[in-house]
Order: sequence, then structure tokens, then C-alpha cells
Amino acid sequence: GQQLNQSPQSMFIQEGEDVSMNCTSSSIFNTWLWYKQEPGEGPVLLIALYKAGELTSNGRLTAQFGITRKDSFLNISASIPSDVGIYFCAGGTSYGKLTFGQGTILTVHP
Amino acid sequence: GAVVSQHPSWVICKSGTSVKIECRSLDFQATTMFWYRQFPKQSLMLMATSNEGSKATYEQGVEKDKFLINHASLTLSTLTVTSAHPEDSSFYICSAGIQGANIQYFGAGTRLSVL
Repeated sequence: GQQLNQSPQSMFIQEGEDVSMNCTSSSIFNTWLWYKQEPGEGPVLLIALYKAGELTSNGRLTAQFGITRKDSFLNISASIPSDVGIYFCAGGTSYGKLTFGQGTILTVHP
Repeated sequence: GAVVSQHPSWVICKSGTSVKIECRSLDFQATTMFWYRQFPKQSLMLMATSNEGSKATYEQGVEKDKFLINHASLTLSTLTVTSAHPEDSSFYICSAGIQGANIQYFGAGTRLSVL
């Protein structure tokens, strides 16, 4: 099925560094969501975006809904070891289904 | 709020047997539930969309007779893997949607191993 283009595929960073990842699509979405998944667990919702241009923060996380409605980014500031996991973007339409990105694997070295 | 419980978290079964996985929304009513399959280090692959009181809608390539879905109430959906074979071994994850919010909340997943 259709997937979003999420980049980078993986990141290896030092604790304290900032992280940025993004998703792009050829289709317009009404909603952009960012999830984090840890090994053996289901994805956990981090941030939900509903309006083009919207910028939303959740602690050290900040995400934006692109103006064109075809992209979104997620920033993590001052990373810590527990930020390790796979981050997925997801685009939603009015039909309720989500289209997922391929995921960004984040590794944080202490 | 918005807690989704999935059970069991891990199951091992013999080839040819059937396995049932339950997905419950604990603190909200989910008119729509979704079932995904995930292979190691890959993204989530939608298998089917389940609406309360109606037949599930399966994605292309997913065998509806193999993966039986029942959504009998606003808080419970089940996925039954019938006559399981080793190639059905995977991580299955359910999610529940809140009407109008276009958000899905996920269960913790079920690791299925078919011997």
C-alpha cells in the first residue's frame, strides 16, 4: 500500500543532541500524527496535528504540519537515552485510515 | 485516557490450530478498530478495518477466511488466525479510532509464533 517517505531511516546520536526527522507525501492529509514504538510494544501517540501550519510541542518534542499539507517534521531537543526507539509519522484522511512512514530508528549513545 | 488493551501479548501455537487475539478499548467507545501486521524493522501494514456491527473491510491481498475479524461491541474487536502456519508468525497490532478525531490508539501488540 501507499507509504509516506520518512527520513532519515536511522540516526545515531550522542545524548544531549537535537534530532530532526520528516515525512513527505504526494498526497494531502487532514491529520499528521507522530508515534514512537519501542521493541515488542505497540506505537504510542506523541503528537497530533490537525491544521496546515500548526506547530505543536509536547515536552522536548516539537512537530509541525506543513503548509502544503503534504509534509510534517518532528524535532526532539536535548535527547536522552530513553528516546531510543522507532518513530513513525502517519497521515490521516477523513476516512479514518492512516498511512504510515517507513520509520526512523533512533539510537542515543550516553 | 484512550487506553487500548490487547491480549494475549505472546502466543505459541502448533501449525493447523487457530488463535484468537482480543482488542479492547478500555475508556472510550471505538466505532472503528484496525488490525495491523508488522514484520521486524518494518512499518505497520494494515490488514483490515473493523466497524462495530458490520463486516470488516480487508486490504488487498489479505485473506478474509484466514484472518477472521469480529467487532461485536463498541469496545471489543477480535482477530482469529485460522489454521495457522509458520508463515503467519508475526507481530499483530490492533488500534482503536475515536470518531471525528482521526486518531488511532494502539494496543501493545501480540507476538504470534507458529511451530
